[in-house]
Amino acid sequence: GQNIDQPTEMTATEGAIVQINCTYQTSGFNGLFWYQQHAGEAPTFLSYNVLDGLEEKGRFSSFLSRSKGYSYLLLKELQMKDSASYLCAVTDSNYQLIWGAGTKLIIKP
Amino acid sequence: IAGITQAPTSQILAAGRRMTLRCTQDMRHNAMYWYRQDLGLGLRLIHYSNTAGTTGKGEVPDGYSVSRANTDDFPLTLASAVPSQTSVYFCASSDGETGGTGELFFGEGSRLTVL
Repeated sequence: GQNIDQPTEMTATEGAIVQINCTYQTSGFNGLFWYQQHAGEAPTFLSYNVLDGLEEKGRFSSFLSRSKGYSYLLLKELQMKDSASYLCAVTDSNYQLIWGAGTKLIIKP
Repeated sequence: IAGITQAPTSQILAAGRRMTLRCTQDMRHNAMYWYRQDLGLGLRLIHYSNTAGTTGKGEVPDGYSVSRANTDDFPLTLASAVPSQTSVYFCASSDGETGGTGELFFGEGSRLTVL
């Protein structure tokens, strides 16, 4: 079956750096997405990786290794507003999106 | 900028009742989707539509139906609600045919409780 694994919850300190990992086992691969979802709100797009390597966008970076079935989202200079759930999703060979259950990130002062 | 509008935002209904969740987008996106989100689980696709006039079944379609009469509207109907359909429902759209390689834009969600 198809599977995406992320940690359920992580805690980090304001101003620090946190890395959220995502591993996937899917039938084919056509790209990986990261979305941010604040409590009670809709998911919003953060990043998209289809080739190996690091994509940087401001304080957020996303890394992909297709051979390892692995991605991470790196958040730098954490702010309280970064407290949210982070969803990893993979597009399989049929271009269907497979979603992870999300990682709840708690930021402490 | 409206984007995607869902209604109602919240609803409590009795088991066995019929319910339609409305979804309207103003971005002229071809593809639209209905997901449900339950605690501890990833978003699960209920139904999708690649373009007006066509619909398809997702991962968890049983008990739900959709229609796509035009580009903008994509209502989701529960013919006879059951308690297991208690969930938060998200409508989404993308400008890609399947959404698989395109960013999804989500509505604010409809929280449904079936008693």
